[in-house]
Amino acid sequence: GENVEQHPSTLSVQEGDSAVIKCTYSDSASNYFPWYKQELGKRPQLIIDIRSNVGEKKDQRIAVTLNKTAKHFSLHITETQPEDSAVYFCAAPLYNNNDMRFGAGTRLTVKP
Amino acid sequence: DVKVTQSSRYLVKRTGEKVFLECVQDMDHENMFWYRQDPGLGLRLIYFSYDVKMKEKGDIPEGYSVSREKKERFSLILESASTNQTSMYLCASSLGMGSTQETQYFGPGTRLLVL
Repeated sequence: GENVEQHPSTLSVQEGDSAVIKCTYSDSASNYFPWYKQELGKRPQLIIDIRSNVGEKKDQRIAVTLNKTAKHFSLHITETQPEDSAVYFCAAPLYNNNDMRFGAGTRLTVKP
Repeated sequence: DVKVTQSSRYLVKRTGEKVFLECVQDMDHENMFWYRQDPGLGLRLIYFSYDVKMKEKGDIPEGYSVSREKKERFSLILESASTNQTSMYLCASSLGMGSTQETQYFGPGTRLLVL
């Protein structure tokens, strides 16, 4: 079955710096990769996703890159702000099943 | 705007009790999911359902069962609660239409403590 590995488990950056979180997956048939942000005490919410027909997608300060050959995808946050502090989860689907596998999460702390 | 609600934010139960966690979504989604969230383990799928009365086991179904009698409601049942089921439980839903590659919308979570 699908195995999703996420690194690092914790990340601390200075406000204004960039943050990068990386995930690897095992099912080569996977072709949809979402990222969720979970603020303290709140539910996970989708922030960006990418489908396998593109290598990169950007939305303001957030970007996701996908390397299908190497089976990894990364979340990039530029010009980080304190409100970016949260736990971020990547996910990848089991191609033939109706479910998603999540990474273990990365706790990002942005220090002002 | 998709809304997923869960019946309780916090629950305290005793070992051996039967526990019901309810989830309701209001967007006519076909897929519904139950996860538990534990530190360092991310979100682990317990069960999911892709249609009324249909259910599939996830990664950690042991000790749990589910019920989906109506499209909008997906219940998680702990037949005999144990202390290792103390966790945060998250419900989610997605559109369906035969595709797995869709956004999942999450409920606010139920923090369950089993004493």
